[in-house]
Amino acid sequence: EAGVAQSPRYKIIEKRQSVAFWCNPISGHATLYWYQQILGQGPKLLIQFQNNGVVDDSQLPKDRFSAERLKGVDSTLKIQPAKLEDSAVYLCASSLGILYNEQFFGPGTRLTVL
Amino acid sequence: AQTVTQSQPEMSVQEAETVTLSCTYDTSESDYYLFWYKQPPSRQMILVIRQEAYKQQNATENRFSVNFQKAAKSFSLKISDSQLGDAAMYFCAYRNTGNQFYFGTGTSLTVIP
Repeated sequence: EAGVAQSPRYKIIEKRQSVAFWCNPISGHATLYWYQQILGQGPKLLIQFQNNGVVDDSQLPKDRFSAERLKGVDSTLKIQPAKLEDSAVYLCASSLGILYNEQFFGPGTRLTVL
Repeated sequence: AQTVTQSQPEMSVQEAETVTLSCTYDTSESDYYLFWYKQPPSRQMILVIRQEAYKQQNATENRFSVNFQKAAKSFSLKISDSQLGDAAMYFCAYRNTGNQFYFGTGTSLTVIP
């Protein structure tokens, strides 16, 4: 069974530039999560999808961050424009559904904003 | 909002010995789930063990077990017979009834040969 795929693995941009991350969850997983993990901290949930609908985006900085999961499968997370404090690892995770406890994580995308 | 606290930024253990990682959480809910995740260096985060709050029995997965004290809001992880492959960052996580996950700041575990 293929795991959660994310790309790119690394990205370096300058502040005020835009960047997009892609995630392909495990086949059949209805729930998809995006987390931000700043160095030295635990993951912080940014947004959660159930199929192509948003379940929770209360911690997503909506003035600069956006995410979509149009066909209920893969998802993109965008930052526009990026700030220095956005430097972090962005993790994608998926689970079979909201009622299922086990999340499967991708390898993450490490973003450095200069 | 729920908070998860891991008060040990770093821990070390001799190979084959036992180590306990601490976690406390704050919640007003009675029904929730608790997790321990392992994040090896430059590798993906994986689930180690989970505990349903309504279950009194502590969860066990091979060498990993938890001590769940609901009244004290404490959820510690015990690793027995530590192995070199156990070296990683360990995160305690809480999931509420709204399926929101909250993670602690992590404990970096070093296993000494």
